[in-house]
Amino acid sequence: GNSVTQMEGPVTLSEEAFLTINCTYTATGYPSLFWYVQYPGEGLQLLLKATKADDKGSNKGFEATYRKETTSFHLEKGSVQVSDSAVYFCALDSGGSNYKLTFGKGTLLTVNP
Amino acid sequence: GAGVSQTPSNKVTEKGKYVELRCDPISGHTALYWYRQSLGQGPEFLIYFQGTGAADDSGLPNDRFFAVRPEGSVSTLKIQRTERGDSAVYLCASSDEGTVPYNEQFFGPGTRLTVL
Repeated sequence: GNSVTQMEGPVTLSEEAFLTINCTYTATGYPSLFWYVQYPGEGLQLLLKATKADDKGSNKGFEATYRKETTSFHLEKGSVQVSDSAVYFCALDSGGSNYKLTFGKGTLLTVNP
Repeated sequence: GAGVSQTPSNKVTEKGKYVELRCDPISGHTALYWYRQSLGQGPEFLIYFQGTGAADDSGLPNDRFFAVRPEGSVSTLKIQRTERGDSAVYLCASSDEGTVPYNEQFFGPGTRLTVL
């Protein structure tokens, strides 16, 4: 079945540092890949997505590229802010007509001023 | 417009009791999903509705769990004979399957269930 392996946290960075959170996946077919974010006290929100190989998703300064050859979808940001402190989840869908999501365990990011 | 809402936000019950958790999806969204998130884990899929019917219930852990969506809008997740291991945050999401190429799922805030 489908699975997502995500870099374990917690990750603590200083403001303006470079961020990478690793994500690799196992899937049959042609899934879409996602990063979701959960800010303190809030629900899950879609951060970015990529629907096919070599696509790059981007939003709010975050980027991730769908790498089929390495089955990876690593999240990066060049300069993090305190407001980026949150839990980040890598996820994939089942493809086809069923969009149920399979999530990684999540990575807690704390950015200090 | 209004997002996905879930009630109650918190539910504390005793082992062996029956609970119902409610989800109000975004108006017009035809697809509805339930997930369960245990402490320190990512959400795990439970069930997926297309309209009124359960298109995929492969994630329901056992027959104590059941969900309905009788009019294709509001959904209720029902748990019988609750066990301590059922304690988790139950998330609901909805999406508009009329959009292409991808149907974004919008998540509610969740119901935190605690079984004592």
